[in-house]
Amino acid sequence: GQQVMQIPQYQHVQEGEDFTTYCNSSTTLSNIQWYKQRPGGHPVFLIQLVKSGEVKKQKRLTFQFGEAKKNSSLHITATQTTDVGTYFCAPKADKFYFGSGTKLNVKP
Amino acid sequence: SAVISQKPSRDICQRGTSLTIQCQVDSQVTMMFWYRQQPGQSLTLIATANQGSEATYESGFVIDKFPISRPNLTFSTLTVSNMSPEDSSIYLCSVTRASSYNEQFFGPGTRLTVL
Repeated sequence: GQQVMQIPQYQHVQEGEDFTTYCNSSTTLSNIQWYKQRPGGHPVFLIQLVKSGEVKKQKRLTFQFGEAKKNSSLHITATQTTDVGTYFCAPKADKFYFGSGTKLNVKP
Repeated sequence: SAVISQKPSRDICQRGTSLTIQCQVDSQVTMMFWYRQQPGQSLTLIATANQGSEATYESGFVIDKFPISRPNLTFSTLTVSNMSPEDSSIYLCSVTRASSYNEQFFGPGTRLTVL
């Protein structure tokens, strides 16, 4: 089956610091999605990446899809307390699976 | 986007009983899914709910334990049968639309505790 690793598991940052989470697959992916889940909430779609080497930006968030389409990253510049939550990658091979998630805590 | 409601939002049940969770969407959607999420963990796909036919189950999940119905394009139910404490979890439904590119919209979830 599909093997997906997401690192780190946890990240604690001071407000204003940057944050990056990585998603690595053992197989080539057709595309990858990213979701954010606030504490006590449900996952909310952030973005989908499809093309090899694709980079997309949403304000302070930058998403990248690797050239080999086996890995992806989410980078947040200058974190804010509103960024607190768990970030999941959801790679798609034959179907979508969710990575293990990275829990981000931002200290004000 | 899609507005999704789930009932009940939470429940506490005795072992050996069954609970049926409902998922209602405000408009027609293409795919409906059921996930399980244990506290602090990721989401695990249980099955894809197919309209008018048997659901497609993922490895480790069987119809006898998690019967699913989808009588139309906007409604689905998941039953957790013969519950044990190991079934305590959050159960989420999600949907995709034909008009969007496979992004999943999630319901608020049902928090189940089995005593």
